[in-house]
Amino acid sequence: DGGITQSPKYLFRKEGQNVTLSCEQNLNHDAMYWYRQDPGQGLRLIYYSQIVNDFQKGDIAEGYSVSREKKESFPLTVTSAQKNPTAFYLCASSPARDTEETQYFGPGTRLLVL
Amino acid sequence: GEDVEQSLFLSVREGDSSVINCTYTDSSSTYLYWYKQEPGAGLQLLTYIFSNMDMKQDQRLTVLLNKKDKHLSLRIADTQTGDSAIYFCAVLNQAGTALIFGKGTTLSVSS
Repeated sequence: DGGITQSPKYLFRKEGQNVTLSCEQNLNHDAMYWYRQDPGQGLRLIYYSQIVNDFQKGDIAEGYSVSREKKESFPLTVTSAQKNPTAFYLCASSPARDTEETQYFGPGTRLLVL
Repeated sequence: GEDVEQSLFLSVREGDSSVINCTYTDSSSTYLYWYKQEPGAGLQLLTYIFSNMDMKQDQRLTVLLNKKDKHLSLRIADTQTGDSAIYFCAVLNQAGTALIFGKGTTLSVSS
């Protein structure tokens, strides 16, 4: 069954703590993306990667980091520098490096700060 | 800067048609997209239109594109309670590096 999985579904972060959100796809897609969704704000791009071992900052990259060591995996770390991390995080992938290709989304991870 | 605007809420009765509107500023999009998000879930691609088309019909969905006015609309015929969700319009930015999403329109369908 092909698709994009994100884990965990809910994640709690303590003050000053780094947390990592997982995103895995078995669709053999080249490109992967991370978005942040806040109520009434739509989606904002955090980071994207068009090929393994390469990634680019999106509109709101500050306080986040990513890696792309494998084609199927694109984990997002929310660092302690991100002062307002509470949000719904969505991972997406698309078949080719061309951003015009349709993006397919995972089910999301909701991050809450304790 | 590049922007995508949508109205935030739409409320209709079951069986009526729903029309969700979207306007965008600059875009290099070859395709323009509509995504649907159900509560607590990720986004699901609903439909898209090629930028050189004026209209695309897909079962109960009709997409209209007015490139001159930079206006995109999604019409849902015979709206059902299962259509209640947030609908996002998305276009490619001028640099061609990322999709820009509108803030989403919450469609509420009452029976």
